[in-house]
Amino acid sequence: KAGVTQTPRYLIKTRGQQVTLSCSPISGHRSVSWYQQTPGQGLQFLFEYFSETQRNKGNFPGRFSGRQFSNSRSEMNVSTLELGDSALYLCASSPRIGGISGNTIYFGEGSWLTVV
Amino acid sequence: TQLLEQSPQFLSIQEGENLTVYCNSSSVFSSLQWYRQEPGEGPVLLVTVVTGGEVKKLKRLTFQFGDARKDSSLHITAAQPGDTGLYLCAGKQGGSEKLVFGKGMKLTVNP
Repeated sequence: KAGVTQTPRYLIKTRGQQVTLSCSPISGHRSVSWYQQTPGQGLQFLFEYFSETQRNKGNFPGRFSGRQFSNSRSEMNVSTLELGDSALYLCASSPRIGGISGNTIYFGEGSWLTVV
Repeated sequence: TQLLEQSPQFLSIQEGENLTVYCNSSSVFSSLQWYRQEPGEGPVLLVTVVTGGEVKKLKRLTFQFGDARKDSSLHITAAQPGDTGLYLCAGKQGGSEKLVFGKGMKLTVNP
């Protein structure tokens, strides 16, 4: 089955603009999470959605937001872009939330955002 | 605060050598996952370990989860140039899908 699909793969934005990134999870997966990856900080958790509800949120400013649709697809938005927002944004999906059964999380290839 | 510490952070070895990368924490994880990431791509899952003391083998890769579920290791036997990449460990806590990542180990295997 198809993996996690993210669009666009690459984009360049100017400071002050906003950007919307899209993620389609693996078919049947209902949990979608977003991560930011930078050389200095590594992978950092942004937020997690399940059944169209945000379940967890990382330590990012309110300029970072997201949502999930009824078909489990998700979008994240960054408003008033800053140079420091340049990063690889990764979407991840999993079948369910919680439990201790080693629920496995799969990542997409990411969206490269450059802010100039 | 980095909950997962990986060591070493960089390693350059010759083809055929063995290596071990460690992932340590003072926190307990319900499960731990190892990923390999190549430049410009997303992390690709290698293995998930869930039981303390668990050992999993994937061809030349051996993964171990500590008895207390606070640490893990990845051992690669007879490394090949195709093993080059960034190796990341990531842990899950409680009922959350949130992954806490280590900074990763950048491995270069020279032919």
